[in-house]
This record gives sequence, C-alpha cells and structure tokens, in this order.
Amino acid sequence: GAVVSQHPSRVICKSGTSVKIECRSLDFQATTMFWYRQFPKQSLMLMATSNEGSKATYEQGVEKDKFLINHASLTLSTLTVTSAHPEDSSFYICSARDPGTGGINEQFFGPGTRLTVL
Amino acid sequence: AQRVTQPEKLLSVFKGAPVELKCNYSYSGSPELFWYVQYSRQRLQLLLRHISRESIKGFTADLNKGETSFHLKKPFAQEEDSAMYYCALTGTSGSRLTFGEGTQLTVNP
Repeated sequence: GAVVSQHPSRVICKSGTSVKIECRSLDFQATTMFWYRQFPKQSLMLMATSNEGSKATYEQGVEKDKFLINHASLTLSTLTVTSAHPEDSSFYICSARDPGTGGINEQFFGPGTRLTVL
Repeated sequence: AQRVTQPEKLLSVFKGAPVELKCNYSYSGSPELFWYVQYSRQRLQLLLRHISRESIKGFTADLNKGETSFHLKKPFAQEEDSAMYYCALTGTSGSRLTFGEGTQLTVNP
C-alpha cells in the first residue's frame, strides 16, 4: 500500500526558534497533502490542505504566518513552525491523498512528529 | 458544515464479547464515511469505508442515512482489537476529512 513518511519523528526546540517537519509520499505522487494537529487524548484537527504548486488552504483559526506550508513537489510537503512557543507543543501528523489507489478520497497517514517547545 | 460524533471516549469489553462503536454524523449532502484505527505506537490506518461494504478483521459498518449513523461492529472481540478508533467523514467535494473524537477500545482477556 501507499506509504507516507515524516521526519523528524521527534523534535525538541527552544522557544523562539523555527522547526521544519517533512512529509513524503514514498511510492506514489500526492497532489494533495494534509497537516493535522493532535493534542493528547484528543482527535485530529485539520490545520491546512496543501496542493502541489499552489498555496495551502488553512483552516479557520490557524495562523498561516506561523505555520508555513510548502508543497514544492508531488512527493514532499513541509510544515515550518515559526517562532515556536510552548503552546505549539503537539503531535503533528501529515497525510497524503493518492487518487490512483483506494479511491479518490482515501488518505494515507504519516507516523507523526512529536514537537516539544521548551 | 460537517461534523462527526463518537459519544463514547472509552469502551471496555471482554474477549469474545460483541462490540459496537458508535458514530453519528452531520452533513447536508452525500457523505463518504470511514473508520480509522490507531494501534499503540502506530500510525493511523484505514480500517474500512462504507462504499466498499467489506468486512475487515471481522469488523463491519453500515451507513444508516435515516439515523445518520455509521456504527462499527464486531461479533466477537479479540485482545488485538484494543486500539483507538476514529470515525471520519468526507463530502462529495473530495478530500477534506473530518474526524470524530475517537473511542479507545480495550478488550480484556
């Protein structure tokens, strides 16, 4: 099946620094990727939808200048948390949609990235 | 607006007992419903989708448009079924998935 990877799996940074998280589709081309945030014991909240070659679409309440998304190729999307603060500490998960397998609406999820901001 | 509700955060059953995880949704058009599962320390993965009408690992789910429900059922639970289960919905426009709050299922020996 389709595989999505994320890097790093875990990152600890100081407050005020920026952190970049990569999401890659390993064996398929993903025209659309999604970024979610998950707090402990809570559900996944969609942050933004990333389309290759165009600007990301952010959900209401998500600061686009704080969470920069770049989807420069069909296999890579990046999420950069700029000027991170402790309240940004969370589990970030990406997913990718592969219209070629599983039907047009199936998403394949990455393993997630645990961000801790000190 | 689309919304998914899973009323039970925690569900505990004994091995061999039937299990039902409830999911209700709100959507004005024709939705596509999914169940995702997340085993301990693993990524989220698709369990089943309503358009496939298939049984995966003994689980089934039927879309009931009248009751706007998509409950997940298994007649005989196994210990390896212990996991977090999420019901999710997407609309006819395509890709945006809305997740329910999740139900943590524990199957006791």
